[in-house]
Amino acid sequence: KQEVTQIPAALSVPEGENLVLNCSFTDSAIYNLQWFRQDPGKGLTSLLLIQSSQREQTSGRLNASLDKSSGRSTLYIAASQPGDSATYLCAVNRDDYKLSFGAGTTVTVRA
Amino acid sequence: NAGVTQTPKFQVLKTGQSMTLQCAQDMNHEYMSWYRQDPGMGLRLIHYSVGAGITDQGEVPNGYNVSRSTTEDFPLRLLSAAPSQTSVYFCASSSRRGEQYFGPGTRLTVT
Repeated sequence: KQEVTQIPAALSVPEGENLVLNCSFTDSAIYNLQWFRQDPGKGLTSLLLIQSSQREQTSGRLNASLDKSSGRSTLYIAASQPGDSATYLCAVNRDDYKLSFGAGTTVTVRA
Repeated sequence: NAGVTQTPKFQVLKTGQSMTLQCAQDMNHEYMSWYRQDPGMGLRLIHYSVGAGITDQGEVPNGYNVSRSTTEDFPLRLLSAAPSQTSVYFCASSSRRGEQYFGPGTRLTVT
């Protein structure tokens, strides 16, 4: 069974600092990996999707890397803003479209 | 393009009552799924469907039924609600490249 771990569980940084969120998974035979953002009481918003053949994916201030062989992905958020405060979820997709989620990292960016 | 929609947003049930959570998507996605999110447990897959007329069980299917008569709709039925089914329920659909899109969720309380 695929186990997904996100460390740290919570993170508090001053505005302007870069954020580094980690995700590790136990089975390297994945189809893709997806990062989501969840605001309190809301649904999940897709941030980045990395296919298994890719090493990284970028969108604006967000960059996600994938190292399948070591079972790791990292989400970098540059120059954090208070609006980046949310819970970030990592989800690993086997080739059957079933997602295995990590428990998330809750980020607080202090103004 | 509304994406994935869910109704109702909130629901309170008494133990033993039944109800149907509605989910619809307008992206013509074949794959749809239901997850529940509980504190400390992350998101867990309940049921999924790879197309109209085809459904299968996920990680936590007991107490829930699904059917898929059209590509657009994927309702989740609670047969006899129990307090353990108090949770937030999310419906998702997946594009062919494996990117998953989530609805806003239904918050269910069973008393």
